[in-house]
Amino acid sequence: GAVVSQHPSRVICKSGTSVKIECRSLDFQATTMFWYRQFPKQSLMLMATSNEGSKATYEQGVEKDKFLINHASLTLSTLTVTSAHPEDSSFYICSAQLAGANTGELFFGEGSRLTVL
Amino acid sequence: AQSVTQPDIHITVSEGASLELRCNYSYGATPYLFWYVQSPGQGLQLLLKYFSGDTLVQGIKGFEAEFKRSQSSFNLRKPSVHWSDAAEYFCAVAVNSGGYQKVTFGTGTKLQVIP
Repeated sequence: GAVVSQHPSRVICKSGTSVKIECRSLDFQATTMFWYRQFPKQSLMLMATSNEGSKATYEQGVEKDKFLINHASLTLSTLTVTSAHPEDSSFYICSAQLAGANTGELFFGEGSRLTVL
Repeated sequence: AQSVTQPDIHITVSEGASLELRCNYSYGATPYLFWYVQSPGQGLQLLLKYFSGDTLVQGIKGFEAEFKRSQSSFNLRKPSVHWSDAAEYFCAVAVNSGGYQKVTFGTGTKLQVIP
């Protein structure tokens, strides 16, 4: 149980285009999802917390207009990288917490490798 | 704010040898504690977690971790390492933040296993 699916796993796009990454909880409801960015050989940096039906909470230094997050249902959150540039190339990982659980345990997606040319 | 320190960036051990990965946290109370493992190009998989109770917790793949309140530590151990254990390991803490648990990760320890 508690499977999180992320799509696409890899995406290559041209500079200036927008890319959408989906994060789905397959067998549970997730009122809260998290988006992380991971640079090569570094840890996970929390970008934003996505709450179903409300605006996402962004961490300091993360451009909310650049990284649009939508959490329209209890099983789906999307991250859209708008007007992508090469410096946005990174590994993006989503995670979810079980609705109603308050333990902090996260279930992770497989990650999405974004390469901006 | 809470923080997590993994002092060892890279560790190399021989297959069959024992392993200990260090993790220290900084937080006013006892947070929820986790160890995750990440294989290259993959998401993270939970190895084990500590919420309360017995300070020695058992996880998957033969891993265990011990919570030591006096040292603010949650070190990960395995008595005999297998080549398939080569991966990156992340310690994490979760603290309550406005209705949900906010998770902070350490910088990770990359484990290399040599024959």
